[in-house]
Amino acid sequence: DVKVTQSSRYLVKRTGEKVFLECVQDMDHENMFWYRQDPGLGLRLIYFSYDVKMKEKGDIPEGYSVSREKKERFSLILESASTNQTSMYLCASSSPRAGGNEQFFGPGTRLTVL
Amino acid sequence: DAKTTQPPSMDCAEGRAANLPCNHSTISGNEYVYWYRQIHSQGPQYIIHGLKNNETNEMASLIITEDRKSSTLILPHATLRDTAVYYCIVRILTGANNLFFGTGTRLTVIP
Repeated sequence: DVKVTQSSRYLVKRTGEKVFLECVQDMDHENMFWYRQDPGLGLRLIYFSYDVKMKEKGDIPEGYSVSREKKERFSLILESASTNQTSMYLCASSSPRAGGNEQFFGPGTRLTVL
Repeated sequence: DAKTTQPPSMDCAEGRAANLPCNHSTISGNEYVYWYRQIHSQGPQYIIHGLKNNETNEMASLIITEDRKSSTLILPHATLRDTAVYYCIVRILTGANNLFFGTGTRLTVIP
């Protein structure tokens, strides 16, 4: 089974802190994604990557950056956390080689910024 | 990616079939219909996808109308564990394109 893991299920940080959210997938997928999910807004794409060291902005990249140094790992960075970044963060991976190119999601990290 | 329209909520009796509709009237010829679900406090889970033929797997069946402007996800024997938010998405098959989830249908399976 495809497994996507995220470093933390729950995280509490203070305004202004630098925050790292880590995501690892074990299926050799080329594509990786970071979403945030807020009530009433569905999932919104922050950044995605289709290869090592490659990144593309999604719909809401402001206030975030990403890093993909290895194929299996995709990190989301909040340079200076703010209260409006309190949210559920979801990582996903996919591969065009794998049938329907469906995305496999991690369990999510619920981040609270105080 | 084309937008989709789903009812905000539905109820289904345990053991009965759950039929979840989705309208995607602006779907393009090369866009597939995908269904995902999200159980509370978990990440979304892929269910099924199709282009124009009906599809079935161990989780569900997908019925796509001939004009491809709408589809129905069928859970043949709903259980309490099927209570979740179900998302219908249309997108092309390849590429690193994201999924536009929208707000989905909240299905509640009633004992």
